[in-house]
Amino acid sequence: KAGVTQTPRYLIKTRGQQVTLSCSPISGHRSVSWYQQTPGQGLQFLFEYFSETQRNKGNFPGRFSGRQFSNSRSEMNVSTLELGDSALYLCASSSGSGGSETQYFGPGTRLLVL
Amino acid sequence: QKEVEQNSGPLSVPEGAIASLNCTYSDRGSQSFFWYRQYSGKSPELIMFIYSNGDKEDGRFTAQLNKASQYVSLLIRDSQPSDSATYLCAVRRSQGNLIFGKGTKLSVKP
Repeated sequence: KAGVTQTPRYLIKTRGQQVTLSCSPISGHRSVSWYQQTPGQGLQFLFEYFSETQRNKGNFPGRFSGRQFSNSRSEMNVSTLELGDSALYLCASSSGSGGSETQYFGPGTRLLVL
Repeated sequence: QKEVEQNSGPLSVPEGAIASLNCTYSDRGSQSFFWYRQYSGKSPELIMFIYSNGDKEDGRFTAQLNKASQYVSLLIRDSQPSDSATYLCAVRRSQGNLIFGKGTKLSVKP
């Protein structure tokens, strides 16, 4: 079974631009969660989508948004980029059943904002 | 108080020793607990999860959970240099999403 895929793997943007990242979950998984990882803050939860609906949301500004399509693929968008948005963005897929279900991570998209 | 706390390390152990990694959490409604390993430049990979009080063993790894003390630990027996990585503790909150600690960096010296 193929793992979680993320595109692109690397991105360089300038302040004020916007960016869209894509995540394809493991086949059969209906939940996709997004995280931002930085050396100072660690892994921080952005949001989770399940069956095309946002199910949970972290404490990030409205510049961070996402969506999920009917095939469970998900995109996240960051508008008006700031230098502090430079980070590794990880998505994780899971069955969506909650409880002890496991999240499997993709390789991540490394975003550098200049 | 942070929701999930881990000692950042680095924790250095000699090859063959037992490495003990600890994690505390603040939400008493937390339901399940996960340990992930992350090598430098890579994404996190699951080692094991636990949701009942007590010990859970998987090969060289043992997870321990004490809900009364809000404490989770991971023991790595017969540590190998290939175990050198950052270990992330994650807690599933009552609302359902995972909250991660900042991780403990483990270094196993040959």
